[in-house]
Amino acid sequence: AQSVTQLDSHVSVSEGTPVLLRCNYSSSYSPSLFWYVQHPNKGLQLLLKYTSAATLVKGINGFEAEFKKSETSFHLTKPSAHMSDAAEYFCVVGFQKLVFGTGTRLLVSP
Amino acid sequence: SAVISQKPSRDICQRGTSLTIQCQVDSQVTMMFWYRQQPGQSLTLIATANQGSEATYESGFVIDKFPISRPNLTFSTLTVSNMSPEDSSIYLCSVVRSGNHEQYFGPGTRLTVT
Repeated sequence: AQSVTQLDSHVSVSEGTPVLLRCNYSSSYSPSLFWYVQHPNKGLQLLLKYTSAATLVKGINGFEAEFKKSETSFHLTKPSAHMSDAAEYFCVVGFQKLVFGTGTRLLVSP
Repeated sequence: SAVISQKPSRDICQRGTSLTIQCQVDSQVTMMFWYRQQPGQSLTLIATANQGSEATYESGFVIDKFPISRPNLTFSTLTVSNMSPEDSSIYLCSVVRSGNHEQYFGPGTRLTVT
């Protein structure tokens, strides 16, 4: 079975400071990992994906994530937060049948 | 990517009734899925909608409660039967194209059962 654990339910940052959203995964085989973002009353948008190619994955809107097998982690980062980044972020594992983490709400203050 | 539409976008229903949600994709896809997002929670997979055959349900979900149809490669329906307030959720369909690891989600149907 596969699972993901998002280590923080809420993360608060100031605009212009770095963002770190943490995710650990569990999988008995090489996983496919994703980060999705959900803005209030909006649909889910794929930010980035890891599928056993490069371990550092670049996504949209300046986000990136690094796959670390030794740490079973797939943390999401962004060098400088923007107000528009405030949303719910989901770490996801799976191939076709996706297993979602519990989500991290990112709050960005001016 | 894929353009996915869902109807209705939201509805308020009385307990004991049923609601059918439609999912339409702009082009043929290999896989279609239905997820549920309960208030303030994450997404849970309900079932895989199989074209021309019975859907494959995840643990905790049954066909009598959530019958699913997929008559072709661009369309699927999910029915929420004999509704109770606990069924109040956002229901989302998603699709995967052939040879693509990416899964795209529809805008969701927000269901409130009173």
